[in-house]
Amino acid sequence: AQSVTQLDSHVSVSEGTPVLLRCNYSSSYSPSLFWYVQHPNKGLQLLLKYTSAATLVKGINGFEAEFKKSETSFHLTKPSAHMSDAAEYFCVVTPSSNTGKLIFGQGTTLQVKP
Amino acid sequence: ETGVTQTPRHLVMGMTNKKSLKCEQHLGHNAMYWYKQSAKKPLELMFVYSLEERVENNSVPSRFSPECPNSSHLFLHLHTLQPEDSALYLCASSQVAGTTTEAFFGQGTRLTVV
Repeated sequence: AQSVTQLDSHVSVSEGTPVLLRCNYSSSYSPSLFWYVQHPNKGLQLLLKYTSAATLVKGINGFEAEFKKSETSFHLTKPSAHMSDAAEYFCVVTPSSNTGKLIFGQGTTLQVKP
Repeated sequence: ETGVTQTPRHLVMGMTNKKSLKCEQHLGHNAMYWYKQSAKKPLELMFVYSLEERVENNSVPSRFSPECPNSSHLFLHLHTLQPEDSALYLCASSQVAGTTTEAFFGQGTRLTVV
């Protein structure tokens, strides 16, 4: 069975400092992995995706994530946080069975302090 | 604008009312989804439609009734809801084919049951 665990429910950083949001997955197959962001009262927006190509994936707004099979991790990083990055972030896995079903982590709330 | 439009954005209904949520996608996708997002809980997949056929129903109470008349439209019919059904209901679409692609989400309908 596939699952995803976001290791921190809440992360707080200062503006201009690096961001690290941690995600571990469990999958019997070679998974596809995604990070989505949700700003207050908005839908979910795709930040980046991994689909068995390059293990270092670059996304929008300066975010990137690295797929590490040996550690079953897909952590999200950004070198320098902006106030506008404050939001809820979801790590998502989808199995290769190709139903389109997405399995969501519990979410990490990112707070950015001035 | 993600190409997935949900209406209404906000809905307040009594427990004896009947209402419907509407979702429309303009992306040419062949799969559509309903998710429920409650406070402090992970996103819950409710229904999956692929090629207009329901392929997944995650033990959702019968007071929620989905309808997919064509590949571009998805409805969620609501009747005799409970206060605990108050949540953000998100619609998504994706193209389910040989390789996994990401899902695109609407802005959601904020439902309050009184």
